[in-house]
Amino acid sequence: GAGVSQSPRYKVAKRGQDVALRCDPISGHVSLFWYQQALGQGPEFLTYFQNEAQLDKSGLPSDRFFAERPEGSVSTLKIQRTQQEDSAVYLCASRATSGRPSTGELFFGEGSRLTVL
Amino acid sequence: KQEVTQIPAALSVPEGENLVLNCSFTDSAIYNLQWFRQDPGKGLTSLLLIQSSQREQTSGRLNASLDKSSGRSTLYIAASQPGDSATYLCALDSGYALNFGKGTSLLVTP
Repeated sequence: GAGVSQSPRYKVAKRGQDVALRCDPISGHVSLFWYQQALGQGPEFLTYFQNEAQLDKSGLPSDRFFAERPEGSVSTLKIQRTQQEDSAVYLCASRATSGRPSTGELFFGEGSRLTVL
Repeated sequence: KQEVTQIPAALSVPEGENLVLNCSFTDSAIYNLQWFRQDPGKGLTSLLLIQSSQREQTSGRLNASLDKSSGRSTLYIAASQPGDSATYLCALDSGYALNFGKGTSLLVTP
């Protein structure tokens, strides 16, 4: 597609519910990232995929957070038993290249805003 | 961990002024630095990417500089316009994931 697409754009969940957030990266992009952005803060890294391989999940805040990218394109971020502190905007980003050092720009989606009541 | 600081946190200027946004970082071992713009309720739009071997990049009214030795980058906006109002974020790539500052919220008044 033309850009990174995320859905849903807005999600309201009751505490304890499970949620799933979807990311469609730019077609052909190898690298995919998930970030969490709290109100008034910069985005914080959650996890990184190179194709279908999850190479880094060090930023996931707890074992309630799980991400997958089974076919190396679409990715899903799942949050189980949501808590109020999970309320944030979840941003997905993709890059054409992979590896270290990275080159090229990182393109972001518009984010999924999660509110946990 | 790389610490990224952006000063000022907020800035209000009248239309037409030139302005400078500052970004400082603690670890000079970076691969590149990227400046982003974020409008309320929106994702991030890339403005400029500076590779570690470069000193500056320019795009239209925007100019970004990078001084790795001092751990600083600046974003210069010339002849500011109300449409420039947004939050500006700098991000450092020290591996493959970006480390972001908290951003500078810019308001350009007509």
